[in-house]
Amino acid sequence: EAGVTQFPSHSVIEKGQTVTLRCDPISGHDNLYWYRRVMGKEIKFLLHFVKESKQDESGMPNNRFLAERTGGTYSTLKVQPAELEDSGVYFCASSPRPYTIGTQYFGPGTRLLVL
Amino acid sequence: SQQGEEDPQALSIQEGENATMNCSYKTSINNLQWYRQNSGRGLVHLILIRSNEREKHSGRLRVTLDTSKKSSSLLITASRAADTASYFCATARGIYNQGGKLIFGQGTELSVKP
Repeated sequence: EAGVTQFPSHSVIEKGQTVTLRCDPISGHDNLYWYRRVMGKEIKFLLHFVKESKQDESGMPNNRFLAERTGGTYSTLKVQPAELEDSGVYFCASSPRPYTIGTQYFGPGTRLLVL
Repeated sequence: SQQGEEDPQALSIQEGENATMNCSYKTSINNLQWYRQNSGRGLVHLILIRSNEREKHSGRLRVTLDTSKKSSSLLITASRAADTASYFCATARGIYNQGGKLIFGQGTELSVKP
C-alpha cells in the first residue's frame, strides 16, 4: 500500500511569489491534515479535511494560505504571496474513517524556503 | 504555552545507553502518541497510548502515561546510532471539539554517538 506522498519535496522561492504544495493521502483515507514545522519549532496543525470538506481550519495562519481538496482525493496548499516567515517543513497526514482518534500517517514533507 | 512540551530539548548519549524523553500536556486527551523524524525525512509513528493505559511497550520502546500529572515518558533502551532523530509527543482530543487534530510539542533532539 502506498503511503502519503507530497510534492515537491523541496521548494525555494522568493518573497512575494506563489507556491502550491500537493498531498496525496493513502487511498481510501477520508481524513487529510496539513501541519507545518517552522524553523525547528513545534509542529503546528493547519487544517483538517473530511473528504472534500474543511472540518477544522483553525490553524491556518492568515488569508495568504488556501487549501483545497477537490473530489476528496488529493489536496493542495497554496501560499500567495509567500513571506519569509512561511519557510519551514509542511507535512500532510491522512487517516481512515470511521476515525478512531488513532494514528495519522504522515508524508515526507515539503521543505519550503522563502528568500 | 504549547501542549505536549518535551524535555530535554536535546539529548546526547552513547550507543547502548538508554534514552528517556518526557512530555507534558495541558488538557484532557483521548490518547498520546510519539513520533520520530529523521533528518530530512517525514514523521514516523512510533507508539500510541490511550488515556486509560499506564504503560505500553513496543520493541525497544517503553511509553508511560500519567494522566493525573498530564505527563508521558518515552524510553528507548539499548540505543543505536540509527535512533538519532527528533522525537515528538502528540496529543489527540475528541473529534467533536478538536477535529481529531494532533497537538505536538517542540520535540527532543536525540543524538546517539557510535
